[in-house]
Amino acid sequence: DTAVSQTPKYLVTQMGNDKSIKCEQNLGHDTMYWYKQDSKKFLKIMFSYNNKELIINETVPNRFSPKSPDKAHLNLHINSLELGDSAVYFCASSKGEQETQYFGPGTRLLVL
Amino acid sequence: GEDVEQSLFLSVREGDSSVINCTYTDSSSTYLYWYKQEPGAGLQLLTYIFSNMDMKQDQRLTVLLNKKDKHLSLRIADTQTGDSAIYFCAEHSGGSYIPTFGRGTSLIVHP
Repeated sequence: DTAVSQTPKYLVTQMGNDKSIKCEQNLGHDTMYWYKQDSKKFLKIMFSYNNKELIINETVPNRFSPKSPDKAHLNLHINSLELGDSAVYFCASSKGEQETQYFGPGTRLLVL
Repeated sequence: GEDVEQSLFLSVREGDSSVINCTYTDSSSTYLYWYKQEPGAGLQLLTYIFSNMDMKQDQRLTVLLNKKDKHLSLRIADTQTGDSAIYFCAEHSGGSYIPTFGRGTSLIVHP
């Protein structure tokens, strides 16, 4: 009965590889988000989708590409991984834009 | 731009009360949140308060909002070792899609 789930929980990979992180929410929410949390715990918004449409795209390298196949899913694909991409990536969802956000458990990405 | 500030660490003894403070700069904030992040886990929404409220109580948690001073606090009564975590303050103004998060306060509870 997990509300916001992410897979995988841990991801260790080599520089230059391409990887994807999946996110699903079963709350019936319309809006989904991706955040990056760095080693100092700072949370930074990356993307926001509302009803499968991109509404926010912060200054993120175009190696990062979100994809929303339906309202309940927002996946994050990363091309040509770099060392600086190592972080914890959180997915979140909210009922609508500007409403309370509920977070997934995070995906811990380590690029070697 | 908007800014949310928190102290980085707080250490308390088990059974005492903990008070985690947060200040923010956006005077148009409408919602203010407290999230909890346990080690290796995601962010869990603990509680939130609307800007037209001064106080909200939920079991051991008390949130106080001083809108004039733009100061938010979270009081945890009878702090337990299971309360050890990072606590994030966040504020959300009506005009912004995204809340602004503080850097988190690490609460350490010792016996």
